[in-house]
Amino acid sequence: DAGVIQSPRHEVTEMGQEVTLRCKPISGHDYLFWYRQTMMRGLELLIYFNNNVPIDDSGMPEDRFSAKMPNASFSTLKIQPSEPRDSAVYFCASGLNTQYFGPGTRLTVL
Amino acid sequence: KQEVTQIPAALSVPEGENLVLNCSFTDSAIYNLQWFRQDPGKGLTSLLLIQSSQREQTSGRLNASLDKSSGRSTLYIAASQPGDSATYLCATNTGNQFYFGTGTSLTVIP
Repeated sequence: DAGVIQSPRHEVTEMGQEVTLRCKPISGHDYLFWYRQTMMRGLELLIYFNNNVPIDDSGMPEDRFSAKMPNASFSTLKIQPSEPRDSAVYFCASGLNTQYFGPGTRLTVL
Repeated sequence: KQEVTQIPAALSVPEGENLVLNCSFTDSAIYNLQWFRQDPGKGLTSLLLIQSSQREQTSGRLNASLDKSSGRSTLYIAASQPGDSATYLCATNTGNQFYFGTGTSLTVIP
């Protein structure tokens, strides 16, 4: 298995633009997690899915953030409109007891 | 809400030294605790997972212990090597709620 795949690896955008981050989990994993990592706040859980259903989105910072998982092999995290304070590395992970992390998407909002 | 603390934030040791990284947490009602390694610009890699019923887990030169009653876990690294240089994070699972510490940045000097 290729592991958890995230795209793009780097994204630079201007304030107000829509940003879509993508994730392909490891095949067979029922759980998918979205995290955000910053120097100030460390690693924060944003939302997670079980069998494509959102279970807990209490970590999603604002209504500007939304996440979907239309099928077992694909998930998106969307920010609309983006703001400079959204700049961070966004990780996707799959699995449960042992989570397997993707390489992350480094987002910079100018 | 679970709070996970890792001290020290940074550690520098000469090659060959044995070392201990510390992790403390406020809510002892955890399902398991996991130690991760993060290399610069990369995602997290799981090192060891300790279930709540276990006291320790070992993998090669790594040994992780868990004391739920006192809310503490340690990661012991034997005979450290320059390749061990990375940030080490611990995370607790309190029933599909995952909380990460801010990590200890380890530098092993050749």
